[in-house]
Amino acid sequence: EIVLTQSPGTLSLSPGERASLSCRARQSVTRDYLAWYQQKPGQAPRLLIYGASNRATGIPDRFSGRGSGTDFTLTISRLEPEDFAVYYCQQYGSSPWTFGQGTRVDIK
Amino acid sequence: QITLKESGPTLVKPTQTLTLTCTFSGFSLSSFGVGVGWIRQPPGKALEWLALIYWNDDKRYSPSLKSRLTITRDTSKNQVVLTMTNMDPVDTATYYCANTGDLDYDSTGYYSYFDYWGQGTLVTVSS
Repeated sequence: EIVLTQSPGTLSLSPGERASLSCRARQSVTRDYLAWYQQKPGQAPRLLIYGASNRATGIPDRFSGRGSGTDFTLTISRLEPEDFAVYYCQQYGSSPWTFGQGTRVDIK
Repeated sequence: QITLKESGPTLVKPTQTLTLTCTFSGFSLSSFGVGVGWIRQPPGKALEWLALIYWNDDKRYSPSLKSRLTITRDTSKNQVVLTMTNMDPVDTATYYCANTGDLDYDSTGYYSYFDYWGQGTLVTVSS
């Protein structure tokens, strides 16, 4: 199975700052089939990005994804108060589908 | 509007079988390219994919749990059912169902992310 490692574990930033979250795969993700999800406390995950760089419906353009092969990045250009949450990457190019361990973005 | 909702017991005893139902609306599991999956999350931990069923009744399971899982669908009721046998306290988690987004496919398989998610249901395994 493809192991995904997210870094950092926690990112402490202030509103308005830029956040860069990393997701690295132990082997290449087929056709860059990588998704990013946001999860707030007590809520279900919410799809942000699919296919490494495609924003899901209704996702603000401050969220962007890039990368290919084994290295992927989620960038939040300017953090809004509602963006403080946990973010997970997931690959769906090879079964079993796997998730990273998450990056928590909290308020500095 | 697409919605999914999980239902089932909140407490099961060790060695018992868990049966969870995902009831959905806003899409049909008979339509080409549609799938519904189950994902779980132990308290304070990461997400783990469990199983997925497609519009054509094709099924996929997590290899580590395959011997304990069964996923089925009832298209007339818009439901997907997951059963997990021989429950253990380490299976305590919030269980989510989710539908798949736009499907890509080739000769080797299907590829899709999880688009809409249910609210989740917390299942505790304890005697």
